[in-house]
Amino acid sequence: DTAVSQTPKYLVTQMGNDKSIKCEQNLGHDTMYWYKQDSKKFLKIMFSYNNKELIINETVPNRFSPKSPDKAHLNLHINSLELGDSAVYFCASSPDSRGTQYFGPGTRLTVL
Amino acid sequence: AQKVTQAQTEISVVEKEDVTLDCVYETRDTTYYLFWYKQPPSGELVFLIRRNSFDEQNEISGRYSWNFQKSTSSFNFTITASQVVDSAVYFCALSAYSGGGADGLTFGKGTHLIIQP
Repeated sequence: DTAVSQTPKYLVTQMGNDKSIKCEQNLGHDTMYWYKQDSKKFLKIMFSYNNKELIINETVPNRFSPKSPDKAHLNLHINSLELGDSAVYFCASSPDSRGTQYFGPGTRLTVL
Repeated sequence: AQKVTQAQTEISVVEKEDVTLDCVYETRDTTYYLFWYKQPPSGELVFLIRRNSFDEQNEISGRYSWNFQKSTSSFNFTITASQVVDSAVYFCALSAYSGGGADGLTFGKGTHLIIQP
């Protein structure tokens, strides 16, 4: 019974391609997030969605776009991938905007 | 803006020793939450504890304990009688809610804890 799941776990692709990472939570949470963890393990918030509304959008290139078809899903689309996009991307969810965030297993993206 | 500082990049101790991981935070908000997460070598992020800014009570959970001191803006984490399975990267994080929105978590850079057998 995975609480927050992501697919795929590993993603290897060429520069310039477009890719998506899917995230699903079965916790009934209202808020979902995307974080990026770089090669030095630094974690930074990218987006959050609360009831299908984008709440924050940090200084992330517009090549990255979150899409939420419903409350349980928050997918991350990345266009024109660059070498610097290589990282581990974590999805998370919380009961509301003030709640504890629970993380998915992460997706390791490698851009060649 | 929020900031979390974990000054210890790496700590190495021998099994059964006690170890304390330091966390210092900065925020102008009066309402905020502090967290600790564990990232074992397998890579997942595991939630350990959440504390709100109005609750300075220390907490103990088994071999883990947390010391929250608003006067020094610190939220330190102690592992008693460490075990090899405690080896991981530990992150301290902060969330604050000025304006009422979800700002996400501001993470420290993490402390890599190595427990040697």
